[in-house]
Amino acid sequence: RKEVEQDPGPFNVPEGATVAFNCTYSNSASQSFFWYRQDCRKEPKLLMSVYSSGNEDGRFTAQLNRASQYISLLIRDSKLSDSATYLCVVNSGGYNKLIFGAGTRLAVHP
Amino acid sequence: DADVTQTPRNRITKTGKRIMLECSQTKGHDRMYWYRQDPGLGLRLIYYSFDVKDINKGEISDGYSVSRQAQAKFSLSLESAIPNQTALYFCATSEDNYGYTFGSGTRLTVV
Repeated sequence: RKEVEQDPGPFNVPEGATVAFNCTYSNSASQSFFWYRQDCRKEPKLLMSVYSSGNEDGRFTAQLNRASQYISLLIRDSKLSDSATYLCVVNSGGYNKLIFGAGTRLAVHP
Repeated sequence: DADVTQTPRNRITKTGKRIMLECSQTKGHDRMYWYRQDPGLGLRLIYYSFDVKDINKGEISDGYSVSRQAQAKFSLSLESAIPNQTALYFCATSEDNYGYTFGSGTRLTVV
């Protein structure tokens, strides 16, 4: 079983739609959680951290459910520029390094 | 200049050749990482270093070696390249677990 699992998609949504991605992780000792965004053939870039209390950054909301070991990302009012692959990222328990999911591809169309 | 610079950006090499990918950073971070990315598999950690004298294997280190020549430089070598090492390679730095900064990547093709 992979340490971090995501639905690869693609999620094809119209502009203005709300879309949600989930991610599950296997290491219950993980303490740090993130969403990264990766555009085609480019490097991943940090989108937002995920806190236990949930957090919001503009149109983006991240939630963490420790009991069920899953993380979610909600994007409201989707823009064409949101089209990208979204990577769920978890630290590997005590080893101080990040484990990346394979990513969920989002395509926003007019 | 980019915070994390990788060279070369693209490389085609033949099976059996030795190749080195270089990474340098201006962030002043102690931690540096090498990942490879393959379609459908995401980024997988090859090697990482938390200090100049510190080298650690990641999940897929076989066939690779690294050198941390200075705080700012971390190079990845393929001693004898094989076709299944064709991938997109990323170097990254971090101050801690928060906020990795990635280089632009090296696209390597082994023929």
